[in-house]
Amino acid sequence: EIVLTQSPGTLSLSPGERATLSCRASQSVSSDYVAWYQHKPGQAPRLLIYGASNRDTGIPGRFSASGSGTDFTLTISRLEPEDFAVYYCQQGAGSPVGFTFGPGTRVDIK
Amino acid sequence: QVHLQESGPGLVKPSETLSLTCTVSGASINSYYWGWIRQPPGKGLEWIGYIYYSGRTNYNASLRSRVTISVDTSKRQFSLKLLSVTATDTAVYFCARVPAVTDRDYWYFDLWGRGTLVTVSS
Repeated sequence: EIVLTQSPGTLSLSPGERATLSCRASQSVSSDYVAWYQHKPGQAPRLLIYGASNRDTGIPGRFSASGSGTDFTLTISRLEPEDFAVYYCQQGAGSPVGFTFGPGTRVDIK
Repeated sequence: QVHLQESGPGLVKPSETLSLTCTVSGASINSYYWGWIRQPPGKGLEWIGYIYYSGRTNYNASLRSRVTISVDTSKRQFSLKLLSVTATDTAVYFCARVPAVTDRDYWYFDLWGRGTLVTVSS
């Protein structure tokens, strides 16, 4: 089973700052099956990135992502007030494809 | 606009069966995969399983012995049954869509319901 580790667990930043979130897999995964989500309490998780680096429709350009193999990164270039949330990475693997989520990174207002 | 809505009992007794339904509106269920994910209080997301409209399923290995996901295309609904629940099954349960058809597609959840809290307690 592939395990995802996200770091840091919590990121305390001010609006306007840059956020860099890391997701590491216990073994190499296909970039086609890597996604990032934003989750706020009481809301549905929101897809940000699929295929490791593709922004979903309507996602602002300040969100970008990259990575391959075991290391993936989500970057928020300049934090807006609405960006403070928990961010999860997800990977898929196997045939049929099975999913795993990382434990999440909380982005807090400093 | 595509909308997913979970429904079902909010309270289930230990050892009983948790049953939830997800209703899809604004889109056909006759394509793609449809899945369930849960989030225990204070914890992260856990994938439960998914179903293709044709009935093909795949489940998280840790839950496979207790989970069944089914689909009713005529009602545009898919359902989750989790047997022999315990307090550790207390969670917010989300339904979601996987916009993939083959292993060569991207695999991710693009549309989610708002989730429904299910508490396991006597």
